[in-house]
Amino acid sequence: QLVETGGGFIQPGGSLRLSCAASEFLVSSYYMSWVRQAPGKGLEWVSVIYTGGSTYYADSLKGRFTISRDSSKNTLYLQMNSLRVEDTAVYYCARDVGGGGALDYWGQGTLVTVSS
Amino acid sequence: DIQMTQSPSTLSASLGDRVTITCRASQTVYTWLAWYQQKPGKAPRLLIYDASTLGSEVPSRFSGSGSGTEFSLTISRLQPDDSATYYCQQYNSYSWTFGLGTKVEIK
Repeated sequence: QLVETGGGFIQPGGSLRLSCAASEFLVSSYYMSWVRQAPGKGLEWVSVIYTGGSTYYADSLKGRFTISRDSSKNTLYLQMNSLRVEDTAVYYCARDVGGGGALDYWGQGTLVTVSS
Repeated sequence: DIQMTQSPSTLSASLGDRVTITCRASQTVYTWLAWYQQKPGKAPRLLIYDASTLGSEVPSRFSGSGSGTEFSLTISRLQPDDSATYYCQQYNSYSWTFGLGTKVEIK
């Protein structure tokens, strides 16, 4: 099971950290991603962290977001800085099916609303 | 970034119909392509990965095919539970990208 927390209402320019707690498997043993979905829109891949620790991000984020994990807490994180109105979305964490990029196990999502 | 173009954007079909959704990539993604089903208010569900491999516990009426830049998702006999939006995703190169989705409605 994957449970996201940390969403909420934030003003433009602010920061927020999302958490994704896993049970029944180790986040460090899988590629783990964040995917977001703006209200009424399609899916947008945000970031991935590999088992070895390498990280990759969507070009559109321009260095504002950072993915990380804490193996002792079996939790994935997404640090979001310099938030913009267009970052408003439901953020999902998801597990990779087996090292390729397809995502087979998703959390329920957490809503981030960026507004003044 | 690789652009993923899905067609149609919406389709309406009857129960038992064979339904096909197409996804075209702006450059080759080999077979690094997945299909997802999403219902309102729910997280996406993986249906197909590596273009044609059925996901865990996915009914056999779903199938995927294609390689390179042209892919398709087929539902062999449309069921009431198949009413949803379907997305393709390429994971050949960063940034991984999704299509805009195809909404499937039951007549």
